[in-house]
Amino acid sequence: TQLLEQSPQFLSIQEGENLTVYCNSSSVFSSLQWYRQEPGEGPVLLVTVVTGGEVKKLKRLTFQFGDARKDSSLHITAAQPGDTGLYLCAGEGGNQFYFGTGTSLTVIP
Amino acid sequence: GAGVSQSPSNKVTEKGKDVELRCDPISGHTALYWYRQSLGQGLEFLIYFQGNSAPDKSGLPSDRFSAERTGGSVSTLTIQRTQQEDSAVYLCASSLLALNTEAFFGQGTRLTVV
Repeated sequence: TQLLEQSPQFLSIQEGENLTVYCNSSSVFSSLQWYRQEPGEGPVLLVTVVTGGEVKKLKRLTFQFGDARKDSSLHITAAQPGDTGLYLCAGEGGNQFYFGTGTSLTVIP
Repeated sequence: GAGVSQSPSNKVTEKGKDVELRCDPISGHTALYWYRQSLGQGLEFLIYFQGNSAPDKSGLPSDRFSAERTGGSVSTLTIQRTQQEDSAVYLCASSLLALNTEAFFGQGTRLTVV
């Protein structure tokens, strides 16, 4: 059962453009995490959001947790080639993190 | 160690053979997780350890899969009689406590069954 749906699945943009990645679920999560994974590496945590409506900023990345704690978004401003990677959201539930299918981002110089 | 270490980094095995994958978590981390990532897919939960016990084995895909953790540290994931559909990257993560704390991932073991 895929509890978290991410969109888009693939995204290819030019350097300097803005983008938003979405993570949606019908389930409520007590917290939600965003990870970035580069080829041949494990995912690396970017941020954890806990409170409904919470907004967190990490340099050019802005993360938002939906009011109902069922969805989240990641917005990147002025994307750079170094932002290229697989972005994964993960919701905490029970004894595990439920991961989304991921958004593969390519930023073209 | 400084991070989660997994070995081997790559493993090619013949169909029907058994394989053992190893995870060395960050020292002092009590929670340990195994996930599987297939090409183009998200992470599929396999098993969770709290200390040496595994309160949640719900993600193990079949009885050919087993895992153990000894001394609250190193964990091994064993796949018996490997099948081609077992080919994937197997990721291990550890966290200081169970959930609510950051999970640190290893670089994974890429398993190819030929």
